[in-house]
Amino acid sequence: DARVTQTPRHKVTEMGQEVTMRCQPILGHNTVFWYRQTMMQGLELLAYFRNRAPLDDSGMPKDRFSAEMPDATLATLKIQPSEPRDSAVYFCASGGTGELRSQYFGPGTRLTVT
Amino acid sequence: GESVGLHLPTLSVQEGDNSIINCAYSNSASDYFIWYKQESGKGPQFIIDIRSNMDKRQGQRVTVLLNKTVKHLSLQIAATQPGDSAVYFCAEKAGANNLFFGTGTRLTVIP
Repeated sequence: DARVTQTPRHKVTEMGQEVTMRCQPILGHNTVFWYRQTMMQGLELLAYFRNRAPLDDSGMPKDRFSAEMPDATLATLKIQPSEPRDSAVYFCASGGTGELRSQYFGPGTRLTVT
Repeated sequence: GESVGLHLPTLSVQEGDNSIINCAYSNSASDYFIWYKQESGKGPQFIIDIRSNMDKRQGQRVTVLLNKTVKHLSLQIAATQPGDSAVYFCAEKAGANNLFFGTGTRLTVIP
């Protein structure tokens, strides 16, 4: 049963610290999405990649957030420096080409910045 | 669950009854919609989709209705079961590969 995996599942850190969240997309999927979910804003798209190239990161605060895909099996989302307002659940999703319905979500990383 | 807000619309139904969850979308040009189910502690899970050239689509125990005139979607769940308790989101296609998610509705099934 192919799944998107995310690590860590939970992260508590202090304001100002660097946070790195990792995602392993489903093997063979060439599209990777990062979403953030908060009580106030709901689910927001932060960035997405196709064939490891960033296609859209307009939803991401550029000054502190960065997203990369070092290889086809790993996507990372970094926050440096982290702030309390970054506290949220961050989801990674992967999908096949052209099929939004085939976008599979990971279990999420719950980030708490104190 | 940790994925939902304090002010989500809520719907409580008795086990075995039918549920109807509603969603209003914003972009009249949207041509594709998806309903997702999110259980506590998990990511959203695809339920059913519909294209704008359709008014209705049925799946297993679920039906999606699309009213383009008033920009409204609904998800009907037949014979609701305790396992259906979750937050349900509608999402509309925004751009080539993007989805814009609604705020969600929490469904609670009363045994």
